[in-house]
Amino acid sequence: DQQVKQNSPSLSVQEGRISILNCDYTNSMFDYFLWYKKYPAEGPTFLISISSIKDKNEDGRFTVFLNKSAKHLSLHIVPSQPGDSAVYFCAALSNAGGTSYGKLTFGQGTILTVHP
Amino acid sequence: DTGVSQDPRHKITKRGQNVTFRCDPISEHNRLYWYRQTLGQGPEFLTYFQNEAQLEKSRLLSDRFSAERPKGSFSTLEIQRTEQGDSAMYLCASSRLSSGANVLTFGAGSRLTVL
Repeated sequence: DQQVKQNSPSLSVQEGRISILNCDYTNSMFDYFLWYKKYPAEGPTFLISISSIKDKNEDGRFTVFLNKSAKHLSLHIVPSQPGDSAVYFCAALSNAGGTSYGKLTFGQGTILTVHP
Repeated sequence: DTGVSQDPRHKITKRGQNVTFRCDPISEHNRLYWYRQTLGQGPEFLTYFQNEAQLEKSRLLSDRFSAERPKGSFSTLEIQRTEQGDSAMYLCASSRLSSGANVLTFGAGSRLTVL
């Protein structure tokens, strides 16, 4: 069962415009969410995260929004730059039980292409 | 460079052979993880260590797979009697024990091709 889903395999945007990447999850125990970016031949790189006690977290051009009732999160990139072209993965984990460790459940990824 | 290092980056082997991958985590990170990524999918959790103790193994990790982390430093992932279905990218990651424990730093991965 796919507990974290990214339903858009790809997204193409123009430089300077907003990129919105979406992610849905089914496991209500998930309470921490992360976005990773991956360039070819490199490992995933951490981008931004959000705890379930918040509904928004912002870091420069990147903002993550969390809608717990809809079990949905999104990553906004404004303005988009050609260097943002990469595969973006959302990931989730549960800190339940007081044992916090990095057992991340990833989505399938969305390929973002930003055109100059 | 103090990132996560993995070796080899690529390995091509014949079915039935054994392969071993090595991971050197960030030195101050107590936790070390192995993930597997197949084409078109996100990484999937395999196992993790806290210092030298292996604390959880995914059901994806069959008996042909074994991971070790002697002395709580580097880790090895061995696959015995490889099968074509083992072809994947094997990713190692590490994290702190406390603050920032949820944020994993990944290596570039070891790509395995089983012919």
